[in-house]
Amino acid sequence: SQQGEEDPQALSIQEGENATMNCSYKTSINNLQWYRQNSGRGLVHLILIRSNEREKHSGRLRVTLDTSKKSSSLLITASRAADTASYFCLKAAGNKLTFGGGTRVLVKP
Amino acid sequence: DVKVTQSSRYLVKRTGEKVFLECVQDMDHENMFWYRQDPGLGLRLIYFSYDVKMKEKGDIPEGYSVSREKKERFSLILESASTNQTSMYLCASSTGQGKRGSEKLFFGSGTQLSVL
Repeated sequence: SQQGEEDPQALSIQEGENATMNCSYKTSINNLQWYRQNSGRGLVHLILIRSNEREKHSGRLRVTLDTSKKSSSLLITASRAADTASYFCLKAAGNKLTFGGGTRVLVKP
Repeated sequence: DVKVTQSSRYLVKRTGEKVFLECVQDMDHENMFWYRQDPGLGLRLIYFSYDVKMKEKGDIPEGYSVSREKKERFSLILESASTNQTSMYLCASSTGQGKRGSEKLFFGSGTQLSVL
C-alpha cells in the first residue's frame, strides 16, 4: 500500500537545535503535505510540496522532496519548546491520500 | 479561519450501543472526512464525502456508517460499538476546489471514544 513511512519515530532535542524527520513512500506521488499535531488535538497543516518542487520554506520550516529516492524531509530550525508535537506526512497519489505513522518530537527547554 | 467542530471531546460508551459522532464546519467546504487515529497505526481514513448525501468508503469502513444531510455537517455512526473501536476520531474538511490531495485539510480537535 502507499504508506508514508516516517523516521525517526521519536526525536528528543534541546531547545535551539534543529530537528529533522523523514517520510518515505513507495510509488509516485502528486504532492506531499506535512502536518503538526499537539498532544491529543487535531492536526494543523504546515506546508505542501508538489512533485515538481524540490524545496519549500515557511518560517523556520524547510521541506525537501527527492523523487528519485521517494522521500521527503522536514527540518525545523532553531527549535522551541512549543515545537514539541507529532509531525505527520500526507502523501497524495492519484486519488489516494495516505498519512505516515508520524514522528514524535520533544524539545527540551 | 476555518473552524471544524466536533461535538464531544471525550465520550464513553458501552459495547453494543449506537454511537453518533458529529462534525460541523463553517467554511462551506465541499469535502469532509472521518479518520481514526491509533498509536503505532497513524491516521486511517474511515469515510469521506464530496457532496451532500454523497459518501465513499475509506480504508477501514467496516463497523461504521456516515450521514451528510447538510453541507456543513458530517456524522459518523457506530451502529453497534465494540471495544476495538476505542480510538481517537478526527474529522477534517477541505474546499473541494482543487485536485484531490492538493488541498490542505482542516481538522477538528478530535473525539476520544472509549468503548467499555
